[in-house]
Amino acid sequence: GENVEQHPSTLSVQEGDSAVIKCTYSDSASNYFPWYKQELGKRPQLIIDIRSNVGEKKDQRIAVTLNKTAKHFSLHITETQPEDSAVYFCAASMYNQGGKLIFGQGTELSVKP
Amino acid sequence: DGGITQSPKYLFRKEGQNVTLSCEQNLNHDAMYWYRQDPGQGLRLIYYSQIVNDFQKGDIAEGYSVSREKKESFPLTVTSAQKNPTAFYLCASSSGLAGYEQYFGPGTRLTVT
Repeated sequence: GENVEQHPSTLSVQEGDSAVIKCTYSDSASNYFPWYKQELGKRPQLIIDIRSNVGEKKDQRIAVTLNKTAKHFSLHITETQPEDSAVYFCAASMYNQGGKLIFGQGTELSVKP
Repeated sequence: DGGITQSPKYLFRKEGQNVTLSCEQNLNHDAMYWYRQDPGQGLRLIYYSQIVNDFQKGDIAEGYSVSREKKESFPLTVTSAQKNPTAFYLCASSSGLAGYEQYFGPGTRLTVT
């Protein structure tokens, strides 16, 4: 089955710097790749997603890139702010699997003022 | 906020007891999911259901059971056979197709002693 690996497990940046989190997936049939943000003790919330027919997607300070050949996708956060501090999860899913998501292990991002 | 709710927020049980976690959604979503989250780990899929009266095992179904008698409800029972039940349990719902957002409930933190 699908396996998603996420790196790094922890990331510390200074406010205003950029942060990059990378994920690789194993099944080339995966075609949907969301990113979730989870603040301490709260529910995960979708921040951006990308489908396999697109190479890059941006939403203000957040962007995701997808390399289908290499089977990896990345989250880019520019001009980081303290409120960006949270755990970020990548995930992958396939069209014929009922929408179920396979998650990476998570990255704890800390943005220092 | 509405959408998808879980109750209770915190649950304490003695070892050997079965316990049922509630999950309700009013989003008219066909698919519902149960995940388990342990510290420092990603979300692992326990069970999912694409339609009423049908459900499939996820990656870690052993020691758990579910039912899907109504579209709005997907309760999870943690049985005494689950060897390490203490965890944060998250329920989610979606349209059931890959490429559509999963909406998460606020979670139930279960502690078994």
